[in-house]
Amino acid sequence: KAGVTQTPRYLIKTRGQQVTLSCSPISGHRSVSWYQQTPGQGLQFLFEYFSETQRNKGNFPGRFSGRQFSNSRSEMNVSTLELGDSALYLCASSLVSGGTGELFFGEGSRLTVL
Amino acid sequence: KQEVTQIPAALSVPEGENLVLNCSFTDSAIYNLQWFRQDPGKGLTSLLLIQSSQREQTSGRLNASLDKSSGRSTLYIAASQPGDSATYLCAVRPLPAGANNLFFGTGTRLTVIP
Repeated sequence: KAGVTQTPRYLIKTRGQQVTLSCSPISGHRSVSWYQQTPGQGLQFLFEYFSETQRNKGNFPGRFSGRQFSNSRSEMNVSTLELGDSALYLCASSLVSGGTGELFFGEGSRLTVL
Repeated sequence: KQEVTQIPAALSVPEGENLVLNCSFTDSAIYNLQWFRQDPGKGLTSLLLIQSSQREQTSGRLNASLDKSSGRSTLYIAASQPGDSATYLCAVRPLPAGANNLFFGTGTRLTVIP
């Protein structure tokens, strides 16, 4: 059974650009959550999508957005990139939203903003 | 706001030793707690998930306990091996458990010396 797949794995952008990251969850999982990991702030929740609807959103500016498609694949977008957006972006897949749902993470997309 | 702390931040032990990693959280209103390991530059691997009604969970050489009332969880690793070297993270799912927004600790970096 394939795990959570994130693309691209590495990318370099410059300030002011925008970036789109993709996440394919485990087959049958309908929830996709996104997290940002930095050395200073650790792992922080960005948002979660379940059945194409945003379920919850963390404390991040509106430059961070996402969506989910009918096949449960999800994308997140960051516009007008800032140096502080350099981070490892992790996607987590779960069968359900909330409750007893165990989260399974992908390898992450490492974004460097120059 | 829920705060999750892991002490110590780093730990070095000789191979074969049994060890305990600690996780504490400030708000006992949690639905469950999950332990992960993260290898350098990689995503998170789920180790154990403990529901709030449970006291402990075991998987192989790993045993995790939960004392919700005191806001503590421990991860016990028996007979440590060099392959156990990684960063270990705990994460809590707060009540109400309507979404997959976990609060993560800062992690304990474990090094097992051959």
